[in-house]
Amino acid sequence: GEDVEQSLFLSVREGDSSVINCTYTDSSSTYLYWYKQEPGAGLQLLTYIFSNMDMKQDQRLTVLLNKKDKHLSLRIADTQTGDSAIYFCAEKAGGGSYIPTFGRGTSLIVHP
Amino acid sequence: DADVTQTPRNRITKTGKRIMLECSQTKGHDRMYWYRQDPGLGLRLIYYSFDVKDINKGEISDGYSVSRQAQAKFSLSLESAIPNQTALYFCATSDWQGSGANVLTFGAGSRLTVL
Repeated sequence: GEDVEQSLFLSVREGDSSVINCTYTDSSSTYLYWYKQEPGAGLQLLTYIFSNMDMKQDQRLTVLLNKKDKHLSLRIADTQTGDSAIYFCAEKAGGGSYIPTFGRGTSLIVHP
Repeated sequence: DADVTQTPRNRITKTGKRIMLECSQTKGHDRMYWYRQDPGLGLRLIYYSFDVKDINKGEISDGYSVSRQAQAKFSLSLESAIPNQTALYFCATSDWQGSGANVLTFGAGSRLTVL
């Protein structure tokens, strides 16, 4: 199975909250990331969380980490049309090459 | 100017042709990567390099080769392009020092179409 799994699509209404979920398999993961890819552009780091943290908040973004269930989520409050993009979850394992492994990406569609 | 520059941004070619995608960076990072993005498949690692003398295969290296000409330059070659190599290709860099988050900086992508 995949190392990092996330659903492919999420549709929300403008002004609502969006929650994008991700599960991972490597219990030795030290860092978990969220990257954003806007149309026609490369990926940009949104935020990351160290594995000894449960939550990280940055303005409209809230990241929750449940290490026991190997579950990561990204909540976007007051979602705007400019938030429409593909969101990638990634993990960095604790050993080996330390290269992040990416999920397939969740396409967030925000409609009026 | 972008920190990570990829050329060309778009390329259409025919089956059997040799193609080179180039990547240059001004970040001063040691680590460079080539990824391929296909719809619904996410990002898959093709090759990576930790310094000028280091080249490593990723999960899908077959049909590709790379060259790390300098710290700032990392090129990806398709010796004989085939249609299933049609994809969006990304170069990325990072400055991981043995601890910390290893955050990747991505280029804008090179869209390759093989007819």
